[in-house]
Amino acid sequence: DTGVSQNPRHKITKRGQNVTFRCDPISEHNRLYWYRQTLGQGPEFLTYFQNEAQLEKSRLLSDRFSAERPKGSFSTLEIQRTEQGDSAMYLCASSDGGGFETQYFGPGTRLLVL
Amino acid sequence: QKEVEQNSGPLSVPEGAIASLNCTYSDRGSQSFFWYRQYSGKSPELIMFIYSNGDKEDGRFTAQLNKASQYVSLLIRDSQPSDSATYLCAVRSGGGADGLTFGKGTHLIIQP
Repeated sequence: DTGVSQNPRHKITKRGQNVTFRCDPISEHNRLYWYRQTLGQGPEFLTYFQNEAQLEKSRLLSDRFSAERPKGSFSTLEIQRTEQGDSAMYLCASSDGGGFETQYFGPGTRLLVL
Repeated sequence: QKEVEQNSGPLSVPEGAIASLNCTYSDRGSQSFFWYRQYSGKSPELIMFIYSNGDKEDGRFTAQLNKASQYVSLLIRDSQPSDSATYLCAVRSGGGADGLTFGKGTHLIIQP
């Protein structure tokens, strides 16, 4: 399967702990996106990368959140000092960045902060 | 503030009928429009995309775009129980911001 993969699929943590999620995009897709989705809402854009460069960050991405894509392939999203409000599904999507690009989503990482 | 509005539903449609899902958006500069299907507990799955005014058909699905009215719709013909899901409308602006703006989704129920 050459789709977008995300790990872990589920994460339960205690408030105040740090967590890190990984996303592996579709092979050769140069754009990678992170979104957050809470129950009953649509996904909300967090940030995106073109190759290894982080080109846009939403105001939703507080200082406790950091994302990297060091070699332009996989990406990590870290949340420091987690809060209960961080509980959500974290979705990764990738695209080839073409003129009419479409984004394909991974299965998501479901985070529960106790 | 870019907004995408959808009726949250639930929208109940008999099996075999046409399901009509609607979406409006606030950013007049939006250039790309997408419909995703999301089953409960799963991630969004791309159904269709449309960029030009008019209709675009793909199998049982037809997307319609009216940029003057800032309106996008998705028609599902011959609805099947497996079409029961939440349908998310997403919009991409043309201002260099490449993240999609999603609506809250419409919950569609196909009644056997």
